Order: sequence, then structure tokens, then C-alpha cells
Amino acid sequence: NAGVTQTPKFQVLKTGQSMTLQCAQDMNHNSMYWYRQDPGMGLRLIYYSASEGTTDKGEVPNGYNVSRLNKREFSLRLESAAPSQTSVYFCASSEIWGPYEQYFGPGTRLTVT
Amino acid sequence: QQQVKQSPQSLIVQKGGIPIINCAYENTAFDYFPWYQQFPGKGPALLIAIRPDVSEKKEGRFTISFNKSAKQFSLHIMDSQPGDSATYFCAASNSGGSNYKLTFGKGTLLTVNP
Repeated sequence: NAGVTQTPKFQVLKTGQSMTLQCAQDMNHNSMYWYRQDPGMGLRLIYYSASEGTTDKGEVPNGYNVSRLNKREFSLRLESAAPSQTSVYFCASSEIWGPYEQYFGPGTRLTVT
Repeated sequence: QQQVKQSPQSLIVQKGGIPIINCAYENTAFDYFPWYQQFPGKGPALLIAIRPDVSEKKEGRFTISFNKSAKQFSLHIMDSQPGDSATYFCAASNSGGSNYKLTFGKGTLLTVNP
């Protein structure tokens, strides 16, 4: 099992460009999450999908959109990238919604110039 | 409002030492307290978790101590090894259905010198 996979691993964007970060899990998990990690800030939840067909905002959703494409895949879209969105983005999944182990992907390092 | 405060930001110990990382929370509804370990260039991974019905939980060399009245919990690493060098995040959440939200501390960078 690959667990949680993310593409791309690295990306450089110019201000105003758009891109989609892809995430897939092969553990048949119901819940998926997108976090961003900034130095000294810990992990902050951007959006989550408690189950297939649902998505909801987390702590820092502004400037992002998500799509739960199917049970396996959960994508994060930046419509008009800004330098403040320079960060490392992690996708995670858990078997069910609630206080259970979250499995994280390897991350995407995004730089917006 | 920072709901989970983690300290110290960084910690250096010698091999065999016992690093201690502390976290404090504000929300009395929190009832699930995991610790995640992250190596450079990798995603975080669950290390150990505790619920407030116990005051201590051990898994191998890792121990969580929990003080409900003080709203604090801590991670102790016994006989620390250079391979334990990583960033450690505490987190807290409630377990209440639609109100569930996992809040992370800001992390502690641990270095274990040989």
C-alpha cells in the first residue's frame, strides 16, 4: 500500500497563477484533510472532507477550493496564487471522521514569487 | 486564539537523556490528545495518543503524562537516541461529531546529540 500520495512534490508559481494539488489514498478511508505547515506555526487545517460527497472549511480556507473527486481523491486548488500561500501542504486521511489517527502524505512544497 | 500552547520551541539533549515537551490547552471540551512525530522532508506520523480517562500512557520509550485539572499534557522520551531527532507536535480535539476539530501546537524541534 502506498498510503497517502501527493503530487507534485515541489512547485514554483508566479503571483496570480493557478494550480491544483492532487492527493490520493489507498486505505479506503472515509475522511480526508488538507493542511498547510509554515515555520513556527504548526499545522493548520485548510479544508476537510468528512466523507465522500462532503467538504467543509477549516481554520484557513481563504484563497483555496477543494474537490472530493471520489472516495480516494481529494484535490486542493489555488485559483490566484499569492506569496502568502508559500508553504508546505500536507494531505491526510483517516478511517472515519473524528478523533482517530490521521495518516499524512509526504507534502508539496509550494513557492509563490 | 491559540488553543494548544507547546513548549519549548527547540530542545537539544545528549543521547540517553530524557527530553520533555509540554503542552497546555484551553478548551475543557478537548478529550483526545495525540502526539505526532515528523522527520525532515516527511509528513507527520502518529506517535502516541491519550484520552483523559488515564493520567499516563507508555508506548516503548515514549510516555504521555496528562493532568486534567491543570489542562496540561507532556511527552517524555526515555533513553533518547539520535534517531529520535525530529519535530514533535502535540494536538488536541474534542470527539463531538460535527464539532470535531484537531488543533495542533506549533511544534518542538528535538535534536539528540550522539
